[in-house]
Amino acid sequence: AQSVTQPDIHITVSEGASLELRCNYSYGATPYLFWYVQSPGQGLQLLLKYFSGDTLVQGIKGFEAEFKRSQSSFNLRKPSVHWSDAAEYFCAVLHKAAGNKLTFGGGTRVLVKP
Amino acid sequence: DSGVTQTPKHLITATGQRVTLRCSPRSGDLSVYWYQQSLDQGLQFLIQYYNGEERAKGNILERFSAQQFPDLHSELNLSSLELGDSALYFCASSVAASGTAMNTQYFGPGTRLTVL
Repeated sequence: AQSVTQPDIHITVSEGASLELRCNYSYGATPYLFWYVQSPGQGLQLLLKYFSGDTLVQGIKGFEAEFKRSQSSFNLRKPSVHWSDAAEYFCAVLHKAAGNKLTFGGGTRVLVKP
Repeated sequence: DSGVTQTPKHLITATGQRVTLRCSPRSGDLSVYWYQQSLDQGLQFLIQYYNGEERAKGNILERFSAQQFPDLHSELNLSSLELGDSALYFCASSVAASGTAMNTQYFGPGTRLTVL
């Protein structure tokens, strides 16, 4: 069955430090992958997406993610974290053959220390 | 702002009651999706509509139903509410039901349902 795993439930990072959030997926075909961010009390905002082509994708707010088929991973990175990046981050895979539903990972909550 | 609107923002009701959540998709989007976010289940897909027709069902309870109207807005009806139905309900929309970039789903701010 298709699934998404985000191994880290919480990550604490200092402001200005780099951030990497892990995402592993299980999907039988070429996946369509997404990262969304949810700030406290807010909805889900799309950060970036991967459909095909270049395996390094750029998103909004200075985020990027790299698709590695051999590792079934789609890790999210940011070189220098700002206090406003404190939020919960969700990785998701699109099920193309199942009504295009998204299956989400459990999320990683990021805390930013001043 | 994603362009997807949801009302109401908050809803507090009692067990056994029925509520309706409303969603307006982004301009030009024909597909609407409903998701439930709860502490124990995480984010789960409930149901998808495309241009008024149901396209896919996920883990949606029989007590829940949805529809998409000719103006493309959608409503999620939750009945015989139980304490465990307390959750954040998101609506998302996309241009099409299938395809590549058109599959990108944009989410609304959600409706927080509290069942007492």
